[in-house]
Amino acid sequence: KAGVTQTPRYLIKTRGQQVTLSCSPISGHRSVSWYQQTPGQGLQFLFEYFSETQRNKGNFPGRFSGRQFSNSRSEMNVSTLELGDSALYLCASSLAVRDTQYFGPGTRLTVL
Amino acid sequence: KNEVEQSPQNLTAQEGEFITINCSYSVGISALHWLQQHPGGGIVSLFMLSSGKKKHGRLIATINIQEKHSSLHITASHPRDSAVYICAVRSGSGGSNYKLTFGKGTLLTVNP
Repeated sequence: KAGVTQTPRYLIKTRGQQVTLSCSPISGHRSVSWYQQTPGQGLQFLFEYFSETQRNKGNFPGRFSGRQFSNSRSEMNVSTLELGDSALYLCASSLAVRDTQYFGPGTRLTVL
Repeated sequence: KNEVEQSPQNLTAQEGEFITINCSYSVGISALHWLQQHPGGGIVSLFMLSSGKKKHGRLIATINIQEKHSSLHITASHPRDSAVYICAVRSGSGGSNYKLTFGKGTLLTVNP
Protein backbone atom coordinates (compact mmCIF):
# COMPACT_ATOMS: atom_id res chain seq x y z
CA LYS A 1 0.00 0.00 0.00
CA ALA A 2 1.44 3.39 -0.97
CA GLY A 3 2.30 5.77 1.85
CA VAL A 4 1.28 9.36 2.34
CA THR A 5 2.50 11.56 -0.49
CA GLN A 6 2.99 15.30 -0.44
CA THR A 7 3.59 17.64 -3.34
CA PRO A 8 5.63 19.55 -4.02
CA ARG A 9 8.57 18.43 -1.87
CA TYR A 10 10.34 21.76 -2.08
CA LEU A 11 9.02 25.22 -2.79
CA ILE A 12 10.49 28.71 -2.85
CA LYS A 13 8.20 31.72 -2.70
CA THR A 14 8.56 35.43 -1.97
CA ARG A 15 6.83 37.47 0.71
CA GLY A 16 3.26 38.37 -0.11
CA GLN A 17 2.67 35.42 -2.42
CA GLN A 18 0.34 32.57 -1.64
CA VAL A 19 1.03 28.85 -1.76
CA THR A 20 -1.00 25.64 -1.95
CA LEU A 21 0.37 22.35 -0.68
CA SER A 22 -1.15 18.97 -1.45
CA CYS A 23 -1.42 15.75 0.54
CA SER A 24 -2.64 12.36 -0.66
CA PRO A 25 -3.41 10.04 2.26
CA ILE A 26 -2.99 6.30 2.42
CA SER A 27 -5.80 4.57 0.57
CA GLY A 28 -8.76 4.08 2.89
CA HIS A 29 -7.66 6.73 5.38
CA ARG A 30 -10.28 9.40 5.94
CA SER A 31 -8.51 11.66 8.41
CA VAL A 32 -5.76 14.09 7.40
CA SER A 33 -3.81 16.37 9.72
CA TRP A 34 -1.34 19.13 8.92
CA TYR A 35 1.65 20.25 10.96
CA GLN A 36 4.28 22.97 10.71
CA GLN A 37 7.83 22.32 11.88
CA THR A 38 10.42 25.07 12.39
CA PRO A 39 13.76 25.04 14.21
CA GLY A 40 12.53 27.61 16.71
CA GLN A 41 8.99 26.42 17.47
CA GLY A 42 9.35 22.73 16.72
CA LEU A 43 6.25 20.85 15.60
CA GLN A 44 2.93 22.66 15.76
CA PHE A 45 -0.53 21.39 14.87
CA LEU A 46 -2.33 23.26 12.09
CA PHE A 47 -5.62 21.45 11.43
CA GLU A 48 -7.32 18.09 11.17
CA TYR A 49 -9.91 17.00 8.61
CA PHE A 50 -12.24 14.02 8.52
CA SER A 51 -14.74 13.31 5.77
CA GLU A 52 -14.27 16.76 4.22
CA THR A 53 -14.94 18.56 7.52
CA GLN A 54 -12.41 20.44 9.59
CA ARG A 55 -12.62 18.76 12.99
CA ASN A 56 -9.88 20.57 14.86
CA LYS A 57 -7.74 23.66 14.38
CA GLY A 58 -4.49 24.83 15.91
CA ASN A 59 -3.54 28.33 16.91
CA PHE A 60 -2.55 29.81 13.56
CA PRO A 61 -3.74 33.00 11.85
CA GLY A 62 -6.49 32.96 9.26
CA ARG A 63 -3.87 33.14 6.47
CA PHE A 64 -3.55 29.39 6.96
CA SER A 65 -6.47 27.42 5.59
CA GLY A 66 -7.17 23.98 4.32
CA ARG A 67 -9.73 21.69 2.82
CA GLN A 68 -10.35 18.03 2.20
CA PHE A 69 -11.91 16.54 -0.89
CA SER A 70 -14.32 13.64 -1.24
CA ASN A 71 -11.42 11.29 -2.09
CA SER A 72 -9.75 12.33 1.23
CA ARG A 73 -6.97 14.23 -0.52
CA SER A 74 -6.24 17.46 1.29
CA GLU A 75 -4.75 20.83 0.47
CA MET A 76 -3.52 23.59 2.67
CA ASN A 77 -3.15 27.17 1.57
CA VAL A 78 -1.11 29.98 3.03
CA SER A 79 -1.86 33.47 1.78
CA THR A 80 0.24 36.62 2.05
CA LEU A 81 3.37 34.68 2.89
CA GLU A 82 5.72 35.98 5.57
CA LEU A 83 9.38 35.11 6.15
CA GLY A 84 8.34 33.26 9.32
CA ASP A 85 6.24 30.85 7.28
CA SER A 86 9.41 29.16 6.08
CA ALA A 87 9.10 25.67 7.49
CA LEU A 88 8.65 21.99 6.85
CA TYR A 89 4.92 21.30 6.40
CA LEU A 90 3.95 17.76 7.26
CA CYS A 91 0.76 15.92 6.50
CA ALA A 92 -0.37 12.77 8.30
CA SER A 93 -3.25 10.44 7.59
CA SER A 94 -5.15 7.96 9.73
CA LEU A 95 -8.16 5.72 9.35
CA ALA A 96 -10.15 7.98 11.64
CA VAL A 97 -9.59 10.84 14.03
CA ARG A 98 -7.44 9.71 17.02
CA ASP A 99 -6.09 6.63 15.24
CA THR A 100 -2.37 6.08 14.64
CA GLN A 101 -1.10 8.63 12.15
CA TYR A 102 1.19 7.96 9.21
CA PHE A 103 3.29 10.89 8.14
CA GLY A 104 4.26 12.05 4.68
CA PRO A 105 7.79 13.24 3.80
CA GLY A 106 6.81 16.90 4.08
CA THR A 107 7.01 19.96 1.89
CA ARG A 108 9.88 22.31 2.66
CA LEU A 109 8.72 25.88 2.03
CA THR A 110 11.22 28.71 1.85
CA VAL A 111 9.92 32.28 1.82
CA LEU A 112 12.38 34.91 0.56
CA LYS B 1 6.89 26.82 31.26
CA ASN B 2 6.08 24.65 28.26
CA GLU B 3 3.07 22.39 28.58
CA VAL B 4 5.19 19.45 27.43
CA GLU B 5 8.73 19.03 28.71
CA GLN B 6 11.11 16.37 27.49
CA SER B 7 14.36 15.26 29.05
CA PRO B 8 17.11 14.95 28.24
CA GLN B 9 17.40 17.28 25.25
CA ASN B 10 20.40 15.33 23.96
CA LEU B 11 21.46 11.80 24.72
CA THR B 12 24.51 9.89 23.54
CA ALA B 13 24.73 6.16 24.18
CA GLN B 14 26.86 3.19 23.23
CA GLU B 15 25.34 0.39 21.20
CA GLY B 16 23.58 -2.08 23.45
CA GLU B 17 22.74 0.37 26.24
CA PHE B 18 19.27 0.73 27.75
CA ILE B 19 17.86 4.17 27.02
CA THR B 20 15.12 6.17 28.72
CA ILE B 21 13.56 9.39 27.44
CA ASN B 22 11.13 11.23 29.68
CA CYS B 23 8.09 13.40 28.96
CA SER B 24 6.21 15.47 31.54
CA TYR B 25 3.08 17.47 30.83
CA SER B 26 1.00 19.92 32.78
CA VAL B 27 -2.50 19.57 31.32
CA GLY B 28 -5.18 16.91 31.42
CA ILE B 29 -4.83 14.74 28.35
CA SER B 30 -6.81 12.20 26.38
CA ALA B 31 -3.78 10.59 24.75
CA LEU B 32 0.00 10.83 24.47
CA HIS B 33 2.04 10.11 21.36
CA TRP B 34 5.67 9.19 20.87
CA LEU B 35 7.13 10.04 17.46
CA GLN B 36 10.49 9.30 15.87
CA GLN B 37 12.06 11.66 13.36
CA HIS B 38 15.12 10.69 11.37
CA PRO B 39 17.49 13.18 9.70
CA GLY B 40 15.82 14.42 6.55
CA GLY B 41 12.48 14.89 8.24
CA GLY B 42 10.59 11.59 8.01
CA ILE B 43 8.36 11.07 11.06
CA VAL B 44 7.11 7.72 12.30
CA SER B 45 4.43 7.38 14.93
CA LEU B 46 5.77 4.91 17.51
CA PHE B 47 3.06 4.77 20.16
CA MET B 48 -0.25 6.30 21.10
CA LEU B 49 -1.28 5.60 24.68
CA SER B 50 -3.70 6.83 27.29
CA SER B 51 -2.84 4.47 30.14
CA GLY B 52 -0.44 1.75 31.17
CA LYS B 53 2.26 0.42 28.95
CA LYS B 54 2.82 -0.58 25.34
CA LYS B 55 5.64 -2.59 23.77
CA HIS B 56 6.76 -2.91 20.18
CA GLY B 57 9.96 -4.80 19.54
CA ARG B 58 12.74 -3.15 21.54
CA LEU B 59 10.62 -0.10 22.34
CA ILE B 60 8.49 0.27 25.45
CA ALA B 61 6.30 3.26 26.33
CA THR B 62 4.72 3.84 29.70
CA ILE B 63 2.42 6.52 31.04
CA ASN B 64 1.40 7.53 34.55
CA ILE B 65 -1.70 9.69 34.27
CA GLN B 66 -1.71 10.71 37.96
CA GLU B 67 1.89 11.92 37.77
CA LYS B 68 1.46 13.38 34.27
CA HIS B 69 4.56 11.58 33.07
CA SER B 70 5.52 9.21 30.28
CA SER B 71 8.72 7.38 29.45
CA LEU B 72 10.04 5.84 26.26
CA HIS B 73 12.54 3.03 26.75
CA ILE B 74 14.78 1.47 24.13
CA THR B 75 16.39 -1.83 25.03
CA ALA B 76 19.61 -3.05 23.38
CA SER B 77 20.04 0.25 21.53
CA HIS B 78 21.46 0.24 18.00
CA PRO B 79 22.96 3.00 15.83
CA ARG B 80 19.83 2.88 13.63
CA ASP B 81 17.87 4.12 16.68
CA SER B 82 19.67 7.46 16.31
CA ALA B 83 16.92 10.00 15.73
CA VAL B 84 14.91 12.74 17.40
CA TYR B 85 12.17 11.39 19.66
CA ILE B 86 9.18 13.66 20.17
CA CYS B 87 6.44 13.47 22.76
CA ALA B 88 3.03 14.97 21.98
CA VAL B 89 -0.08 15.25 24.13
CA ARG B 90 -3.65 15.50 22.98
CA SER B 91 -6.06 17.50 25.14
CA GLY B 92 -9.55 18.92 24.79
CA SER B 93 -12.66 17.27 23.43
CA GLY B 94 -12.67 18.59 19.90
CA GLY B 95 -13.40 21.65 17.77
CA SER B 96 -11.91 24.83 19.18
CA ASN B 97 -11.24 23.08 22.49
CA TYR B 98 -8.88 20.56 20.92
CA LYS B 99 -5.14 20.90 21.31
CA LEU B 100 -2.15 18.83 20.25
CA THR B 101 1.04 20.04 21.90
CA PHE B 102 4.52 18.80 21.11
CA GLY B 103 7.68 18.60 23.18
CA LYS B 104 10.91 20.00 21.75
CA GLY B 105 12.30 16.54 21.15
CA THR B 106 15.22 14.47 22.40
CA LEU B 107 18.15 13.95 20.04
CA LEU B 108 19.46 10.42 20.53
CA THR B 109 22.81 9.35 19.12
CA VAL B 110 23.82 5.72 19.48
CA ASN B 111 27.47 5.04 18.73
CA PRO B 112 28.69 1.65 17.52
